[in-house]
Amino acid sequence: GAVVSQHPSRVICKSGTSVKIECRSLDFQATTMFWYRQFPKKSLMLMATSNEGSKATYEQGVEKDKFLINHASLTLSTLTVTSAHPEDSSFYICSAKGLWYGYTFGSGTRLTVV
Amino acid sequence: AQTVTQSQPEMSVQEAETVTLSCTYDTSESDYYLFWYKQPPSRQMILVIRQEAYKQQNATENRFSVNFQKAAKSFSLKISDSQLGDAAMYFCATRHSGGGADGLTFGKGTHLIIQP
Repeated sequence: GAVVSQHPSRVICKSGTSVKIECRSLDFQATTMFWYRQFPKKSLMLMATSNEGSKATYEQGVEKDKFLINHASLTLSTLTVTSAHPEDSSFYICSAKGLWYGYTFGSGTRLTVV
Repeated sequence: AQTVTQSQPEMSVQEAETVTLSCTYDTSESDYYLFWYKQPPSRQMILVIRQEAYKQQNATENRFSVNFQKAAKSFSLKISDSQLGDAAMYFCATRHSGGGADGLTFGKGTHLIIQP
């Protein structure tokens, strides 16, 4: 079956620094990858959609300069939270969509900015 | 814009009983997909069941089935013979077509408790 690996599972960083989260499709090529944010006991909110080799499309209200997304290959997308602040602390989840597979989710990354 | 509403923040059911989780949605699209995802404490999102809007037949996956009422824009999930492992957050979702394409719009979720 389709497997998506997300790394790291949790990260703590200092305010003002940047942190990168990786999302890999292990056994299929992902034409499109998605990044979601989930606050505690809340739903998932779509942040952006990325297609391999092209710029990401951000949802309204998401700062593209703060949340940099790179989808350099059909199996890897990265989310970089730049100049992180405590309000960026959250649970970030990626999802990958291949030609024949539905939406497969990574296991998520808990980001804590101190 | 698409919206998904789950009106039950929490539901409780006895083990081996049947429970139904409700979901309504709003979309302007004529062709769309609907999903139920399970999120256990590990927070891994697990696909429970999927329904294509053009299919009139309700989707079924073992103990999980849906009642899809397209005109009413309703998509409820029925879990039969509830098991302790079914305890989790359940999210209803529809395929999104806003600024991006194909992303999912989720409801706020229903916390399902299984009483032994």
